[in-house]
Order: sequence, then C-alpha cells, then structure tokens
Amino acid sequence: GQNIDQPTEMTATEGAIVQINCTYQTSGFNGLFWYQQHAGEAPTFLSYNVLDGLEEKGRFSSFLSRSKGYSYLLLKELQMKDSASYLCAGVFNDYKLSFGAGTTVTVRA
Amino acid sequence: DSGVTQTPKHLITATGQRVTLRCSPRSGDLSVYWYQQSLDQGLQFLIQYYNGEERAKGNILERFSAQQFPDLHSELNLSSLELGDSALYFCASSPGTGNYEQYFGPGTRLTVT
Repeated sequence: GQNIDQPTEMTATEGAIVQINCTYQTSGFNGLFWYQQHAGEAPTFLSYNVLDGLEEKGRFSSFLSRSKGYSYLLLKELQMKDSASYLCAGVFNDYKLSFGAGTTVTVRA
Repeated sequence: DSGVTQTPKHLITATGQRVTLRCSPRSGDLSVYWYQQSLDQGLQFLIQYYNGEERAKGNILERFSAQQFPDLHSELNLSSLELGDSALYFCASSPGTGNYEQYFGPGTRLTVT
C-alpha cells in the first residue's frame, strides 16, 4: 500500500487546538483528503489538498507538503461535537484512494 | 441530508448468496465512489466511476462488481458472500472534474450469516 500513517488517538480540552498528522509515501501521489466521522455515522468530507500550503476553512485547516509526504489537520477552538474519528486518505496513481486507520479525537470539558 | 441515497439500509443474507446495493448520487454529480467499512479494517476504497466509466479500482474483490448507469445511479454487486463481507458499505458522490468534495450516503449495513 501507500503507508498512510496517522496517530491512533488524541485527547484535548474544549477550546484548545489539536493537530493531527498524516504521513504517506510520495510515489504516485496526487492529493490528500481529510474526513470526519462520528460514531455510527457516515464520513463527512473536510478538505482535499493538492498543492503545498495551508487551506483554512473556518475552525478547520489542512496543510500539505508534497515533498515531505506530510499533511496535518488543525482543529481550532475545539468543541465537544468535534469528538470523532478523523481519516486521512491519499490519492495515488491518478484516482486510487488509500486510507489511514483514522485518529480518534476526544474533546474533554 | 447529503442528497446521496442508498438502498437498502440493512441487509441480512446467508453465505454464498448474491446481493445488490444501490446508490443515487446528488443531482448533477458525475462521480460515484464505493467504500467498505468493517471493524477490523477501517474504511477501504473499492471503486470509482465517473460519468458511466470506471475511473479507479481499489481493494475490490473479484467476487464484487459495480457499474454506473446512464442516469448516473450506481450498483454494487456482491456475490458468493462470505462472513467476512459483513460490513457497512458507503457510497459517495462528487461533482467531478476539478471539484473533489465528496458527499456520503447513509450506508448499507450488510450482515452475512
């Protein structure tokens, strides 16, 4: 596979910032998705990065460095509803997606 | 509501059987993706169609097949079912060229007994 790696779990306090890292093999890489999935629900699209740099969307931002095989999802001003699994998925060899195992984020009051 | 519909919501069937899962994309979306999510394997990409043509194949077994019809709805056919095929199957759609934002359906939960 494309060795998509992300931490298994992260815990943070309400109002804080959390950064979820994702690394991948750069061979054949085209772009990177981030999804949010609450327990028992379908995933929700958060972002798709193709170019290097930071893309901001409200409280969520996603960063990509193509040369380093590295991305992160930044969640700011954490809210209890942000407790969920966050999935990183790389697009390789044109359109094939490969997923990481997901990072479970727990937000504590 | 994402605008993507999947039927049925739940399906219980026996090993060796064949089932068909159906997905209707959001109005105007040309691309359909199929995913499988099981407890031990996480989310796996199966296959993608764009405007009726297969675009990418992921970890899809030979016992599984899919197609996208002229009206852009898609079907995923699973045959010779095994216990290990029990999972949630999600469909997602996206507008297509240049816009990769995906909208997921609620999923079909398949239980093979």
